[in-house]
Amino acid sequence: QKEVEQDPGPLSVPEGAIVSLNCTYSNSAFQYFMWYRQYSRKGPELLMYTYSSGNKEDGRFTAQVDKSSKYISLFIRDSQPSDSATYLCAMSATRSGANSKLTFGKGITLSVRP
Amino acid sequence: SAVISQKPSRDICQRGTSLTIQCQVDSQVTMMFWYRQQPGQSLTLIATANQGSEATYESGFVIDKFPISRPNLTFSTLTVSNMSPEDSSIYLCSVGGGRFNEQFFGPGTRLTVL
Repeated sequence: QKEVEQDPGPLSVPEGAIVSLNCTYSNSAFQYFMWYRQYSRKGPELLMYTYSSGNKEDGRFTAQVDKSSKYISLFIRDSQPSDSATYLCAMSATRSGANSKLTFGKGITLSVRP
Repeated sequence: SAVISQKPSRDICQRGTSLTIQCQVDSQVTMMFWYRQQPGQSLTLIATANQGSEATYESGFVIDKFPISRPNLTFSTLTVSNMSPEDSSIYLCSVGGGRFNEQFFGPGTRLTVL
């Protein structure tokens, strides 16, 4: 079993839809959770990060963590064509993403249709 | 976020040769990491480049195949040695620490081995 599993894609939605992206993990040592966005032929860009269970909101994006179920989600409201990218969940066994190994899901490619 | 550059951005190499990839960041950082992103696979950590000491390699990656240098706090190189077609991948450096509380990625080097 992989340490991090991410819902397979690709995912195609109409503009304005609410998007839900999900990852599960098996390693209970993970305590820091991140979402990266990667546009085609670019490096991953940090989108959101959190270390506590619950919701964290930033504009149209909400990151949700449920440590008891080992489940994290990213919600995108009012999706835009510019949100079309690959989304990667990442996790760390320390309380920081800066100084330690990140373990990634495989990523899911999202396409938002105008 | 950090401004990170990688050289080359892409290359096509012959089997049995070696390629050195450079990673430069615009400010001093504690940590520099090298990841590999193969098609359909998770982004995977190769090694952590420590300034002034030997790199720390993840399971499945060895120094003879992926020698790393970290001569100062803003620069690192990764060499892919004795390449085979299985080494075709995107290689990404990332940085963290210093004034950065999160891990940021460079644009990547797209390597094709024939």
